[in-house]
Amino acid sequence: AQRVTQPEKLLSVFKGAPVELKCNYSYSGSPELFWYVQYSRQRLQLLLRHISRESIKGFTADLNKGETSFHLKKPFAQEEDSAMYYCALSDTSGTYKYIFGTGTRLKVLA
Amino acid sequence: DGGITQSPKYLFRKEGQNVTLSCEQNLNHDAMYWYRQDPGQGLRLIYYSQIVNDFQKGDIAEGYSVSREKKESFPLTVTSAQKNPTAFYLCASSHRGGNTIYFGEGSWLTVV
Repeated sequence: AQRVTQPEKLLSVFKGAPVELKCNYSYSGSPELFWYVQYSRQRLQLLLRHISRESIKGFTADLNKGETSFHLKKPFAQEEDSAMYYCALSDTSGTYKYIFGTGTRLKVLA
Repeated sequence: DGGITQSPKYLFRKEGQNVTLSCEQNLNHDAMYWYRQDPGQGLRLIYYSQIVNDFQKGDIAEGYSVSREKKESFPLTVTSAQKNPTAFYLCASSHRGGNTIYFGEGSWLTVV
């Protein structure tokens, strides 16, 4: 079954500390993976996708097919990073539907 | 101003009534989606449509219905059969083939 798992509901870190938001997936083919972010009172928006291999706002994520993971990392957290983060998988087998994880709320403490 | 527009933003409904949430996009996207967002449960797919006049059930389609008569519009009807309709509903769209998905601002539905 296709599934995206985010094991942490809440992650609190201090400003300047490293951040890692975990994401594991279950998918039989070659998935496309994304991280979406929802800041307070804003719409859900794309943060990054694995295929572009970009670093957005200091965040990076590497697709590890062996461990079926796509963890989101940032070396030094900022207060403005506080938000809800969702890992998502795009089914490329034909349906092209998107499957989201349950989300992790990141709180960066001053 | 391009994007996805959902309306209304807030809606109250009495038990037993159907209600329709509007979603319009001017991004020329083929695919459109409806998600429900509940605390602690993330985004759950209700219905999706890859092309006009065609749509498929998602993971929680019971009690909901949709139509896709126009490329830019994908309204969602929450029927009286939906047992727990109070939630935040998100509409989204994308080009076909695994591209980025874009979201509307959402609609809050409260059943009173």
